[in-house]
Order: sequence, then C-alpha cells, then structure tokens
Amino acid sequence: GAVVSQHPSRVICKSGTSVKIECRSLDFQATTMFWYRQFPKQSLMLMATSNEGSKATYEQGVEKDKFLINHASLTLSTLTVTSAHPEDSSFYICSASSEVETQYFGPGTRLLVL
Amino acid sequence: QKEVEQNSGPLSVPEGAIASLNCTYSDRGSQSFFWYRQYSGKSPELIMFIYSNGDKEDGRFTAQLNKASQYVSLLIRDSQPSDSATYLCAVLISSGSARQLTFGSGTQLTVLP
Repeated sequence: GAVVSQHPSRVICKSGTSVKIECRSLDFQATTMFWYRQFPKQSLMLMATSNEGSKATYEQGVEKDKFLINHASLTLSTLTVTSAHPEDSSFYICSASSEVETQYFGPGTRLLVL
Repeated sequence: QKEVEQNSGPLSVPEGAIASLNCTYSDRGSQSFFWYRQYSGKSPELIMFIYSNGDKEDGRFTAQLNKASQYVSLLIRDSQPSDSATYLCAVLISSGSARQLTFGSGTQLTVLP
C-alpha cells in the first residue's frame, strides 16, 4: 500500500517554457501533499505544503508565482514551474500523507531546462 | 544549529557487519521520527518510523530513540551491498500551527563486499 506516482519521470524543456508535474496517491486519500526539490548531492528541501481544496503554504524563499501548486482532489496535486530557467533544473519529488504523519514519496521528476 | 543533524559520512562497513547511523534533533517537543533510504538518482523510501523511547525492530533494521538525549539511530544488521545508499533521518517538527517533516542532510553508507 501507500503508493505515490509522479508524471513525468523526466522532462527536458527550453528556457521560458512552463512544465507541469503531476503527483498522485494511488491507493489512499492524501489530505496533505508536499513538494520537495533536491539538487545534486544535497538533501531534500521542502518547497511547499498543500492541503486538498486550499492554497498551498510555501516555504521561505520559494516563489509562489513561479511554482504553482494545485491540490484539486485527495489523490492529485500538480506543480507547475512557470517560465522555467536553467537554475530550476533539479529533482522534484512529491510526497503524500493521510491523517497519519507518515509521508510516502513519489519516484521524482528530473527537470532539465536548456 | 541545524534542526536535524546527521554525520554526512561516507560510512563504510564490510558485508555482514552492523551499520550504525545516528541523528540528533533540536526540537525537544518532536514526537515522530522517520528513517528513509535514498538510492542515487531515486526518491526516498520509508524504512521505519518510531514514536516511543526505546528500540523498534523490523527485520534487519532497528530504530532507537532517546528523547532525553534528543537522538535517534538506525542499526542495520548483517549489512549487504544492496544497503549502500544515503540514509535520511526525518523529524516531525512543529512550527506554529504547522507540523512539517524536517530532513537531515543524510549519511552515505557503503557496504563493501
């Protein structure tokens, strides 16, 4: 149980374009979803927390207008990187949790902005 | 002081030995503690969680929690080369009305055949 999927697993885009990443909880209802970013050889950095049906809470230093998060249902959250630039290239990972505190991670999306 | 601290390693142990990974945290009110394993290029996968002082065993893995000393550790018995990965300690920390999982920087473990 507790399977979380992400799509796409890998994306390459041109600078200035927008990229949408989907995160789905497949076998449980996720009241809360989290979005993390991980640069090479660094630890996970929380970008934002989203609860179904409400606005996401962004961590300090994360631009909410650049990283749009939508948590429309208990099984789906999306992260849209708007006007992506090379410095946005990273490994984006979502996680999901239900009422209990354990977070289950998706497989991650590797973004490369040229 | 970082909220969750881990020795970055790398830690090398021979196959069959016990690997000991340590983590300390600063928020004395933390109640929930997690160990994740992350293989290179992959996302973290949950190994264990622990809420109560003492030991919690699951197969070859044992998590140990000491809230008075604010540390949590992970022991891996009979280490295998497939255990080579980065191990992330995570602590649920309260920040105002919110609670969020805060990760340590991870300890890189290499099990030598």
